[in-house]
Amino acid sequence: QQQVKQSPQSLIVQKGGISIINCAYENTAFDYFPWYQQFPGKGPALLIAIRPDVSEKKEGRFTISFNKSAKQFSLHIMDSQPGDSATYFCAASMGSATNKLIFGTGTLLAVQP
Amino acid sequence: NAGVMQNPRHLVRRRGQEARLRCSPVKGHSHVYWYRQLPEEGLKFMVYLQKENIIDESGMPKERFSAEFPKEGPSILRIQQVVRGDSAAYFCASSLYGQGDTEAFFGQGTRLTVV
Repeated sequence: QQQVKQSPQSLIVQKGGISIINCAYENTAFDYFPWYQQFPGKGPALLIAIRPDVSEKKEGRFTISFNKSAKQFSLHIMDSQPGDSATYFCAASMGSATNKLIFGTGTLLAVQP
Repeated sequence: NAGVMQNPRHLVRRRGQEARLRCSPVKGHSHVYWYRQLPEEGLKFMVYLQKENIIDESGMPKERFSAEFPKEGPSILRIQQVVRGDSAAYFCASSLYGQGDTEAFFGQGTRLTVV
């Protein structure tokens, strides 16, 4: 129930293409869903986050789509660039009670020039 | 504007030794979280501390691992009698509040290698 399942494990996209990463959860008590970006040798950095009262949030080239009934959420990276090549983690927390994050297993994105 | 500072960045310990990992949170943050990342895996929650208190240690192994966040000074994650399976990257994060959708800022991690 505490798991967050993430797919795909790895993704190769051409420059300018759309990268899509999916996550699913079981625990309906989760109410905060952030995405983190991690470059090799660095710590994760918050990219974008959403709460379940909205179905979509967009920040620049990054969009989160959220489907509460299906308990799924996804990250879309529009116009993907080589600099976007990194590992992306989805996460969830019961933000109203604790900021402890449950992370997905990560997606290694490679954007080819 | 210093972020979360972790040291050392790399730590090599022989089996049976003790490892001490330090974390200084963002200035003004009193909530600290430790996560462990094994190779090719996501981050796993270990412990959540507030100044001088352990709030949630549900992810901590029952033996050999301990954490503290004293009134003064950094948070410390201590691993006694390390074994090869403890080799991982350990990340610390801090946040301004303990709940609510407040951003958690991560440090660059300490990469522990047990030989």
